Amino acid sequence: GAGVSQSPSNKVTEKGKDVELRCDPISGHTALYWYRQSLGQGLEFLIYFQGNSAPDKSGLPSDRFSAERTGGSVSTLTIQRTQQEDSAVYLCASSLLGSGEQFFGPGTRLTVL
Amino acid sequence: AQSVTQPDIHITVSEGASLELRCNYSYGATPYLFWYVQSPGQGLQLLLKYFSGDTLVQGIKGFEAEFKRSQSSFNLRKPSVHWSDAAEYFCAVVFSSGSARQLTFGSGTQLTVLP
Repeated sequence: GAGVSQSPSNKVTEKGKDVELRCDPISGHTALYWYRQSLGQGLEFLIYFQGNSAPDKSGLPSDRFSAERTGGSVSTLTIQRTQQEDSAVYLCASSLLGSGEQFFGPGTRLTVL
Repeated sequence: AQSVTQPDIHITVSEGASLELRCNYSYGATPYLFWYVQSPGQGLQLLLKYFSGDTLVQGIKGFEAEFKRSQSSFNLRKPSVHWSDAAEYFCAVVFSSGSARQLTFGSGTQLTVLP
């Protein structure tokens, strides 16, 4: 596709359930980023992938959060045992290696009841 | 510590008036600088960026920004605001020269445009 796509656009889940969020980056973009946007914390960096590897996991807020990327393309962010404080919009971005310019997807709005 | 500050949480201007949104950063070197706009329910759209060179950069939708090293600032401007400019604006910075280059965002400025 022409841009970064994310699915689902909205996800409502119950506390304690696991969720998976998907990101499909722009074709050819080797760098992929996950960010979280919440009312209390603003926009914060979660994790970065270069190809399939994640050299920087420093932003993941807890060990309930994990992410993977396969084939240097699609990435999945998994949140286990969701908590209400996980409610936020999760944004994915991709870029060409070293370009510094990131292109964002529309986000997934996660609501944990 | 590295940080990005947008001092104005909310700005209201009349349509046709000029606009300036402030952004300051704290860093020992010159970072990469960006302005993004987010309309309700939408993702982030890049307005403009500064990496090096000419300190006045032009972006989309008639926006421009000026990098001032002495003030550690990268303020966004528009000479005449349109109603469609109402949105939230984020200043973002890449501090690291390493491969990650993740964005650090300011807290955002909500722009309201009066008819």
